[in-house]
Amino acid sequence: EVQLVESGGGLVKPGSSLKLSCVASGFTFSSYGMHWIRQAPKKGLEWIALIYYDSSNKYYADSVKGRFTISRDNSKNTLYLEMNSLRSEDTAMYYCAKGGTVDYWGQGVMVTVSS
Amino acid sequence: DIVMTQTPSSQAVSAGEKVTMSCKSSQSLLYSGDQKNYLAWYQQKPGQSPKLLIYLASTRESGVPDRFIGSGSGTDFTLTISSVQAEDLADYYCQQHYSYPYTFGAGTKLELK
Repeated sequence: EVQLVESGGGLVKPGSSLKLSCVASGFTFSSYGMHWIRQAPKKGLEWIALIYYDSSNKYYADSVKGRFTISRDNSKNTLYLEMNSLRSEDTAMYYCAKGGTVDYWGQGVMVTVSS
Repeated sequence: DIVMTQTPSSQAVSAGEKVTMSCKSSQSLLYSGDQKNYLAWYQQKPGQSPKLLIYLASTRESGVPDRFIGSGSGTDFTLTISSVQAEDLADYYCQQHYSYPYTFGAGTKLELK
């Protein structure tokens, strides 16, 4: 069974940093691209980043480019999202998700940016 | 960036009704190399993560009931629920995975009439 478990969220002040993790199991993690997708409270879904299976390519939404960094450690079956210069508009549930077509999602981790 | 436009934003339905919702993209999602449309549909119930229903515009994900039907090509796509059940009340999102950044529509909320 595919499982994606995010962690690392919390309440932070504007301008600060946070690093999310997503531990994967139930599939060959090193064979799949992985995404981060977020959802602000009561809002729709926003795709924010993708990393290829071998980290050879990374893509970002304009809203996070230059502030967020996606990475992975295939030896640990873990996906990361390093978030810097956080803003109030980054407040959202952050999901990690598997595949070119996103076929599995984690349960999400909440990030709240507020003074 | 490709803009995805979903209509309606919400729809009130009764159990057993046929429901259709639309998703339009600002440019074609049909890849000439394989003649496939890179469009997916997701269902999100309250308090839950989204779930993949349809990919490549019309291919049902394993385990998804056959009352969910995806259709369309190019820039115009439709998700049809042939006979709505109570458990289908949810938000539905389309997403293009034709080019980066991948983008979602704003969603269609299915509510009980």
